[in-house]
Amino acid sequence: GESVGLHLPTLSVQEGDNSIINCAYSNSASDYFIWYKQESGKGPQFIIDIRSNMDKRQGQRVTVLLNKTVKHLSLQIAATQPGDSAVYFCAENSGGSNYKLTFGKGTLLTVNP
Amino acid sequence: DAGVIQSPRHEVTEMGQEVTLRCKPISGHNSLFWYRQTMMRGLELLIYFNNNVPIDDSGMPEDRFSAKMPNASFSTLKIQPSEPRDSAVYFCASNTGSVTGELFFGEGSRLTVL
Repeated sequence: GESVGLHLPTLSVQEGDNSIINCAYSNSASDYFIWYKQESGKGPQFIIDIRSNMDKRQGQRVTVLLNKTVKHLSLQIAATQPGDSAVYFCAENSGGSNYKLTFGKGTLLTVNP
Repeated sequence: DAGVIQSPRHEVTEMGQEVTLRCKPISGHNSLFWYRQTMMRGLELLIYFNNNVPIDDSGMPEDRFSAKMPNASFSTLKIQPSEPRDSAVYFCASNTGSVTGELFFGEGSRLTVL
């Protein structure tokens, strides 16, 4: 899950296993959420998004779940591959009518072959 | 598409020097964002522009930081004078201006202030 400390939360999984990365967002008025993946030395890349009127959305090998009651977001990656190793960030649009993404601290996913 | 283009990719400078980071957003995108990333604070939004106009600069740390967008295809983030605590990776990102949808990031400019 997310942390406000100096160290990134870390998740280590075996290749082929499913991964679940959690995120607690801060603003109950946020209406749009995105998961990003960041590989070392690169900029964040979009994975999947979800609007607040949904509680689940599926992509290719990824699923995002949204629980607005407890302000919780999760990213599930099926059949995790070594190429999935990266830092994963959740982001919420807290800008109302403006697009203003606020990012969580991130989770480091390590996939062991 | 070329994506969001940032320069320089790496900059090492001495305290007190002026630093200018540059960004070319994706053609046709109406909004441009500057983020700073550090281990301590993660990804922080510094400022963003819609149609070349600054909308929210509440994340700009202090007066030493300034950002401009003279036209739709170019933006700069300037730090003058720079300090060691400004060392970070600075990302530029752009999108279509919609309130939903992907925000496209550049590869970042890694700044080290000695």
